Amino acid sequence: QQPVQSPQAVILREGEDAVINCSSSKALYSVHWYRQKHGEAPVFLMILLKGGEQKGHEKISASFNEKKQQSSLYLTASQLSYSGTYFCGTVGGGNQFYFGTGTSLTVIP
Amino acid sequence: DGGITQSPKYLFRKEGQNVTLSCEQNLNHDAMYWYRQDPGQGLRLIYYSQIVNDFQKGDIAEGYSVSREKKESFPLTVTSAQKNPTAFYLCASSTARGNSNQPQHFGDGTRLSIL
Repeated sequence: QQPVQSPQAVILREGEDAVINCSSSKALYSVHWYRQKHGEAPVFLMILLKGGEQKGHEKISASFNEKKQQSSLYLTASQLSYSGTYFCGTVGGGNQFYFGTGTSLTVIP
Repeated sequence: DGGITQSPKYLFRKEGQNVTLSCEQNLNHDAMYWYRQDPGQGLRLIYYSQIVNDFQKGDIAEGYSVSREKKESFPLTVTSAQKNPTAFYLCASSTARGNSNQPQHFGDGTRLSIL
């Protein structure tokens, strides 16, 4: 039930945009997004609760397509501080939480 | 300040030894979670608890045990049955109780290695 993320890794130059996708084989009722810097704990970015919902956090926003069982995270005008690994997360059977496979994002000057 | 405290930060285990990782939160959260993260990998759920005196196995519970005697505390024991315990262990909590709509807050983690 682990969501699958794509791409696995991406390298950007400062100021470029990126999209990270999260797909589930099961129905999605909510999607979480987290960012983890190397050697640190994940930090919560946002939760999307309804199909079609979009949310923003600084220059990071996300959308949720409940019908397609997908969510996408959009990073615009990337900054060096955006580097890290991004995880989506969903709740499965028995209220167990599943983190996605992760996407490593590296922003270079 | 409210938060989640994990200790120790680094832990070494001898073969055949059980070790216990501590996780304490003062956020008054109902739900608590333990995850394992191997280098370059994602987070895998070991155990979770939504209420005191109750917990459920995650995907990789074999070789681990937990208890939830107090709301604030959710210790994880890595038993000798866990043959490959070297990993980064993360504890998290949320206000959710059977509710997926709340974020998880993480401690700083414990790095466990075999001697």
